[in-house]
Amino acid sequence: KQEVTQIPAALSVPEGENLVLNCSFTDSAIYNLQWFRQDPGKGLTSLLLIQSSQREQTSGRLNASLDKSSGRSTLYIAASQPGDSATYLCAAYSGTYKYIFGTGTRLKVLA
Amino acid sequence: NAGVMQNPRHLVRRRGQEARLRCSPMKGHSHVYWYRQLPEEGLKFMVYLQKENIIDESGMPKERFSAEFPKEGPSILRIQQVVRGDSAAYFCASSIAQGALHEQYFGPGTRLTVT
Repeated sequence: KQEVTQIPAALSVPEGENLVLNCSFTDSAIYNLQWFRQDPGKGLTSLLLIQSSQREQTSGRLNASLDKSSGRSTLYIAASQPGDSATYLCAAYSGTYKYIFGTGTRLKVLA
Repeated sequence: NAGVMQNPRHLVRRRGQEARLRCSPMKGHSHVYWYRQLPEEGLKFMVYLQKENIIDESGMPKERFSAEFPKEGPSILRIQQVVRGDSAAYFCASSIAQGALHEQYFGPGTRLTVT
């Protein structure tokens, strides 16, 4: 049974710092790993989707990597800004049409 | 092309009432998924539907919860005799087909509060 864990649960950093959010999954037989952003009381915004054949994806200041053998994915945010403050969720897709979500990392970037 | 639409966005019900949550998938999408997010938790899969068929309802509580996706109209998640523990955000997602290559697109969610 796939389980997804995100560490840390919460993170507070000063503006301008580079930071890494971690996501680990127990079953390496995944098709995709997707990172989402969720603002308080809002829906999900897809940030990056990494297919199993890929090792990383980049979009602007965001870079996500995937290491299936170790069951890990990281989301790297460069030069963080207060507008990056949100909860970041990772979700593993194992081909059974269910996304298995982690509990998220609540990020606060201080001005 | 409008994204996945859900209504209402916020719903308040008293204990024992019924809650009906609606989801209109993206245009051309015939696969719908419902997820529930309890406070301070990640989203958890509830049910997967195709037009007029429930494919997998393994994540949905057996009692009081039901879902449908009729030939015409939105998908409906129905909760009968709501209890305080049903308070959560309910998200709907849709895809054009099922499988690894077909990303699920999420709606804005319906936040249900049971008083």
